[in-house]
Amino acid sequence: DAGITQSPRHKVTETGTPVTLRCHQTENHRYMYWYRQDPGHGLRLIHYSYGVKDTDKGEVSDGYSVSRSKTEDFLLTLESATSSQTSVYFCAIQDAGQPHSGNTIYFGEGSWLTVV
Amino acid sequence: GEDVEQSLFLSVREGDSSVINCTYTDSSSTYLYWYKQEPGAGLQLLTYIFSNMDMKQDQRLTVLLNKKDKHLSLRIADTQTGDSAIYFCAVRRGFNAGNMLTFGGGTRLMVKP
Repeated sequence: DAGITQSPRHKVTETGTPVTLRCHQTENHRYMYWYRQDPGHGLRLIHYSYGVKDTDKGEVSDGYSVSRSKTEDFLLTLESATSSQTSVYFCAIQDAGQPHSGNTIYFGEGSWLTVV
Repeated sequence: GEDVEQSLFLSVREGDSSVINCTYTDSSSTYLYWYKQEPGAGLQLLTYIFSNMDMKQDQRLTVLLNKKDKHLSLRIADTQTGDSAIYFCAVRRGFNAGNMLTFGGGTRLMVKP
């Protein structure tokens, strides 16, 4: 158990509505990530954070924003959901400065989002 | 950027060995990982290998790294039905924790009884 909780786990929403996914960690790790998983694409990085209020874009950031006001929480917001954002969203955490453990990233259980 | 490729599907019989392959393009990759994903679940780290190693063994799992060919493989000995899942390889460029991972598309392993 990597101490990561995602909420909600499942959500159906309508096109054009805002949606916020929450990731909560109990490990006090510095790095947090949001990925989306789609068939044939593996996992693609949306945004990541390297500390409170410190965030940066990933590979597929268009249409998404993030916020990190506390170490333990990383929020992903879809300002106006579209059908192309139907996906499984994974939060991940990583403890910086642990090269002896491979700087390993640990994943949450995922949030299934359907935009209709 | 980095490209990571995996075959889509592998089917084996219970008790046989499974070999899942992965190729990548960036020769400066430092850490290479294997993750397992069961239906409806997140990704579980299986093992990783540092780029200065050729092989790493952990119980039934053997990772082989051929840096010259940029080829990574995961061998599962005595494959069991519980090993049926999607396996992802992931590659990190650079040594810093801030360096991102690039994932392959995943290989679905089916184990037949």
